[in-house]
Amino acid sequence: EIVLTQSPATLSLSPGERATLSCRASQSVRSYLAWYQQKPGQAPRLLIYDVSNRATGIPARFSGSGSGTDFTLTISSLEPEDFAVYYCQQRSNWPPEITFGQGTRLEIK
Amino acid sequence: EVQLVESGGDLVQPGRSLRLSCPASGFTFGDYTMSWFRQAPGKGLEWVGFIRGKAYGGTTEYSASVKGRFTISRDDSKSIAYLQMNSLKTEDTAVYSCSRGGNNGWNYFDYWGQGTLVTVSS
Repeated sequence: EIVLTQSPATLSLSPGERATLSCRASQSVRSYLAWYQQKPGQAPRLLIYDVSNRATGIPARFSGSGSGTDFTLTISSLEPEDFAVYYCQQRSNWPPEITFGQGTRLEIK
Repeated sequence: EVQLVESGGDLVQPGRSLRLSCPASGFTFGDYTMSWFRQAPGKGLEWVGFIRGKAYGGTTEYSASVKGRFTISRDDSKSIAYLQMNSLKTEDTAVYSCSRGGNNGWNYFDYWGQGTLVTVSS
């Protein structure tokens, strides 16, 4: 099983600041890496797929990068609505499985 | 507009069974992989399993934690995905959500339902 480790567990920042969230895989996930945002009581929202592609309707302040085992989600200038939990997700072919990181909580400083 | 609305969650005793439903609308259901995920109270996201679309034979894959106990099926004529859960354990307690595989695949999941709560307790 491929394990995804997100860091930091909690990130405290102020609106307007830049957020950098990390996701490290225990082995290469090729380009099958996605990022989701989840707010309390809500369903996850797809932000980024295939490492760096923004999902429909996602603002340009969200960007994804990385390759192989190390990936980053960057929020260029935080808006009040961006404070939430963020998960990275990978899929693997064998065994066929989907795994998530444990999440990074982005909180208002 | 894509909509997924789960139902069927309930309080059940350990060892019992439960079936969840996920009726979908707003897209050509049969073309898409449909997946189930769960989230235990206060915990992160966990994949349960998925069923591929008709172009991929409607085959299924499951996480190790549910394999042999849970079964995913689909009725393309009604645009509904199902999750049959047998031999439930207390650790299966979670909010269960269905989701659509993006771009007809299963690399990522672009639409999610709000979820339905399953509580396994005596």
